[in-house]
Amino acid sequence: GNSVTQMEGPVTLSEEAFLTINCTYTATGYPSLFWYVQYPGEGLQLLLKATKADDKGSNKGFEATYRKETTSFHLEKGSVQVSDSAVYFCALSATNTGNQFYFGTGTSLTVIP
Amino acid sequence: SAVISQKPSRDICQRGTSLTIQCQVDSQVTMMFWYRQQPGQSLTLIATANQGSEATYESGFVIDKFPISRPNLTFSTLTVSNMSPEDSSIYLCSVAVGQGYEQYFGPGTRLTVT
Repeated sequence: GNSVTQMEGPVTLSEEAFLTINCTYTATGYPSLFWYVQYPGEGLQLLLKATKADDKGSNKGFEATYRKETTSFHLEKGSVQVSDSAVYFCALSATNTGNQFYFGTGTSLTVIP
Repeated sequence: SAVISQKPSRDICQRGTSLTIQCQVDSQVTMMFWYRQQPGQSLTLIATANQGSEATYESGFVIDKFPISRPNLTFSTLTVSNMSPEDSSIYLCSVAVGQGYEQYFGPGTRLTVT
């Protein structure tokens, strides 16, 4: 079946630190992969995506590379800011299940000045 | 992309009553979804609501409890019926667009049942 396993949180970092949030997936077929961000009190916003192997998604300084050999889609940012404090969700969309989304459990990030 | 609005943004309801949540999209979309997000948790899909067909419910969710309407390509409603405190949650609608069928989410409806 399809599933997403995401790094447990919460994560607390100092401003300008390097961020990695791990995400691995299980899927039959060829999924698309996504990272969503949820700021306090808001809905989910699409942060970045990758639709095929070796694609790199990037946005607002965040990056993630679709690694088929390791079934991973880790989120990285070189220098986090206080404004990056949010919950981050990894997700996949699988064509074999009508493009239904499968979400990870979410990772809470707090960046302290 | 798509811009999605939801009404109400939050509500406090009495046990045993019902609440209808509206979801409006700024463009025509075929695929629309309703999710529930309990405090501090991930999203759980309630149902898929494609225009022109009956909503498809996930395991654990039934039409009598969560009736859905999808009268056109830009609008849907979810009703939470006969509410109990266990229904307190954030309810989110989303639409799927683009080549990768990425989903865009509304801001959510924060429901508290007392």
